[in-house]
Amino acid sequence: QVQLVESGGGVVQPGRSLRLSCAASGFTFHTYAMHWVRQAPGKGLEWVAVIWFDGSNEYYADSVKGRFTISRHNSKNTLYLQMNSLRAEDTAVYYCARMSGGSSMSWFDPWGQGTLVTVSS
Amino acid sequence: SYVLTQPPSVSVAPGQTARITCGGNNIGSKSVHWYQQKPGQAPVLVVYDDSDRPSGIPERFSGSNSGNTATLSISRVEAGDEADYYCQVWDSSSDHYVFGTGTKVTVL
Repeated sequence: QVQLVESGGGVVQPGRSLRLSCAASGFTFHTYAMHWVRQAPGKGLEWVAVIWFDGSNEYYADSVKGRFTISRHNSKNTLYLQMNSLRAEDTAVYYCARMSGGSSMSWFDPWGQGTLVTVSS
Repeated sequence: SYVLTQPPSVSVAPGQTARITCGGNNIGSKSVHWYQQKPGQAPVLVVYDDSDRPSGIPERFSGSNSGNTATLSISRVEAGDEADYYCQVWDSSSDHYVFGTGTKVTVL
């Protein structure tokens, strides 16, 4: 079945870096765009970034642009999020999600179970 | 940037219909998707493209979209429908994806 499994979360000091991974299985990974979405404790969902199926385009939320980089390794069926210059407000559960439907206006389905990133000194 | 506004909470008795609104400027011109999130779990898609249901989602879940408001309706509400619900669209002017503020549905 289609599955997304995030990893790489943890506690990190402000200003440091962290890389998240999302392992995909059960579908042809290289034909789908992929997203990262985050959720701060007790808060709503916030879209973070998207990468096209072939890596040709990337878009970022204003809150992370210039600090975070989304990438993918299609031969390894893996999505990444490199997070630099981390701030306390980046503390959240980070989800990866597949963009289903085949166009930019498509939906997120399925989602991974999430990985928690805590930025604290 | 494009903003989607939802009521913070909706309360409904079992067996009744819950209606969750999602307000945005001319949202009727966009494709709206809805997600259900139960405590401690990842979001799950319940309606896509305004009114389509993924396989496995009960017919009790339905959606509509017109003008400045999209609506998710849950008929014959059950205790298991208690969750947070989020609407989502793609903002073509910025190539950004936007989530609504979220609505907590409580079954009385």
